[in-house]
Amino acid sequence: EAQVTQNPRYLITVTGKKLTVTCSQNMNHEYMSWYRQDPGLGLRQIYYSMNVEVTDKGDVPEGYKVSRKEKRNFPLILESPSPNQTSLYFCASSLWTGGTDTQYFGPGTRLTVL
Amino acid sequence: DQQVKQNSPSLSVQEGRISILNCDYTNSMFDYFLWYKKYPAEGPTFLISISSIKDKNEDGRFTVFLNKSAKHLSLHIVPSQPGDSAVYFCAASVNNNDMRFGAGTRLTVKP
Repeated sequence: EAQVTQNPRYLITVTGKKLTVTCSQNMNHEYMSWYRQDPGLGLRQIYYSMNVEVTDKGDVPEGYKVSRKEKRNFPLILESPSPNQTSLYFCASSLWTGGTDTQYFGPGTRLTVL
Repeated sequence: DQQVKQNSPSLSVQEGRISILNCDYTNSMFDYFLWYKKYPAEGPTFLISISSIKDKNEDGRFTVFLNKSAKHLSLHIVPSQPGDSAVYFCAASVNNNDMRFGAGTRLTVKP
């Protein structure tokens, strides 16, 4: 089954404790991205990657890091989480066809930073 | 800077009637527009899209209209069904890059 998986689905942590949210897709997609969803703001892009070892900042990259060492995986790293990073996070992937493809989303990771 | 806006946070319609969800954008460079549907505890799923070279795209009960001069698009659902109750996100991008989403509209279809 074609899918995007994220782990963990729920996480409660404390300020400053480094964490990683994993994202994996089995569709051989080139393009992957991370979003956060906040009430009244919709989905905002954090980082995206057009292929292995190619990453770029999205709309709200501050406080986040990503890496793309393999095509299927795109982990989101919070080196020193803060309460304003409490949010619902979605990973997404798509084929890179220059404007005609749509993104497939993971189920979401609800993060609470105390 | 919200380049994509959905000004109605919620919409309630009767089963069988038409649902019209609206979306406005400010960036004239956007060339691809999408609607996503999101159920609670799930990720958004793609619903329908439209390229800026078109003004209408239809898929079953769902039709998206694009008015480039007004920088406005809308999603029509006819007839609405209770299973359509979800949050709908409008999205826009330039060449499928740096996609911007609206804040979402919660649609409730009453039986």
